[in-house]
Amino acid sequence: NAGVTQTPKFRILKIGQSMTLQCTQDMNHNYMYWYRQDPGMGLKLIYYSVGAGITDKGEVPNGYNVSRSTTEDFPLRLELAAPSQTSVYFCASNAGAETQYFGPGTRLLVL
Amino acid sequence: KQEVTQIPAALSVPEGENLVLNCSFTDSAIYNLQWFRQDPGKGLTSLLLIQSSQREQTSGRLNASLDKSSGRSTLYIAASQPGDSATYLCAVGGANNLFFGTGTRLTVIP
Repeated sequence: NAGVTQTPKFRILKIGQSMTLQCTQDMNHNYMYWYRQDPGMGLKLIYYSVGAGITDKGEVPNGYNVSRSTTEDFPLRLELAAPSQTSVYFCASNAGAETQYFGPGTRLLVL
Repeated sequence: KQEVTQIPAALSVPEGENLVLNCSFTDSAIYNLQWFRQDPGKGLTSLLLIQSSQREQTSGRLNASLDKSSGRSTLYIAASQPGDSATYLCAVGGANNLFFGTGTRLTVIP
């Protein structure tokens, strides 16, 4: 049972490039989330999903897209990378109003 | 919009001391409250989850309390150890979101 896994661990992007951050969970959780954490700040919700085929915006969705075709996977897409998207991205999952389990994070630097 | 505040931002204590970390929130209509630990460069590890109907939860040397009416939670750490050094995050659960504080960075000095 690996829990929540994220790839890559670290990435450098140039302004305007695109990339997909991968997230997979093996706990059969219906709920999955993407957060970003800026230095010295709390985590902020980007997007979340309550099940396969269902996604919704969080607090800071601009510049991102998501999809949820399976229960296990919840990729986050950056279409036109901007310096303001330099951050650490965390994926999490849970079974409703219970403990959220977090992945190890992806550190993204946009130059 | 829910606002979560954690005080102090940083705390240093000698090993063996008992300590309290504070969390306050503005909207009492919450589903639950979680305390997390975050080590430098790492993800978050859940420590305790208190459902909105509960007043406290305990795990080992940790005890978390919740007072919804006053919008406050505390995390009590007994007999602190150097291995407790980390950032502690409080997160308030809404319907489909967690609202995070900015954390308290704890250093336990041997």
